[in-house]
Amino acid sequence: DFVMTQTPLSLSVTPGQPASISCKSSQSLLHSDGKTYLYWYLQKPGQSPQLLIFEVSNRFSGVPDRFSGSGSGTDFTLKISRVEAEDVGVYYCMQSKQLYTFGQGTKLEIK
Amino acid sequence: EVQLVESGGGLVQSGGSLRLSCAASGFTVSSNYMSWVRQAPGKGLEWVSVIYSGGSTFYADSVKGRFIISRDNSKNMLYLQMNSLRAEDTSVYYCARDVVGFDIWGQGTMVTVSS
Repeated sequence: DFVMTQTPLSLSVTPGQPASISCKSSQSLLHSDGKTYLYWYLQKPGQSPQLLIFEVSNRFSGVPDRFSGSGSGTDFTLKISRVEAEDVGVYYCMQSKQLYTFGQGTKLEIK
Repeated sequence: EVQLVESGGGLVQSGGSLRLSCAASGFTVSSNYMSWVRQAPGKGLEWVSVIYSGGSTFYADSVKGRFIISRDNSKNMLYLQMNSLRAEDTSVYYCARDVVGFDIWGQGTMVTVSS
């Protein structure tokens, strides 16, 4: 089974400052097809989750370019270059190399 | 418009059953991987079950043998039959489409299991 571990579990960021969230998988997410099945989601307060990043580093349609994803194998990072008030919520990483596993979530709040 | 709308949640006693429905519009359920994801109150996201476009189904260990995922191609609907419900199944249940990750989510339907 895959275990996805996010750090930190919470962070408080001043608007305009950067933020970074780490996600580590217990096994490599690199598939034999050459793709790495790591995704990032944001769940804003009171809303359903929304897809931000697919396959490590690809921004989903409509996602602002201040969001970026990087990493390989088992170590991945979501970065927000300049946090805005609308970015508050809980961020989840997820693997789908073998079925699906979410990380515990990282709560981002604004200072 | 591409969207998913869940229904069927409610209050049920421990050991009881419930069937959730997910109505899709703007795309064809049977042509996609479709999942159910749940979220217990104040907790994180937990994947529950998937049905592939070819019809194969898979379940999280926590629900295997109790839940059944299915679809009705003629109605463009996704279902989750939940049996032998436990207090720990209390959650908001979302249906979601997997194209490049879960790109479309429903608004969720609340299931409360009373002990």
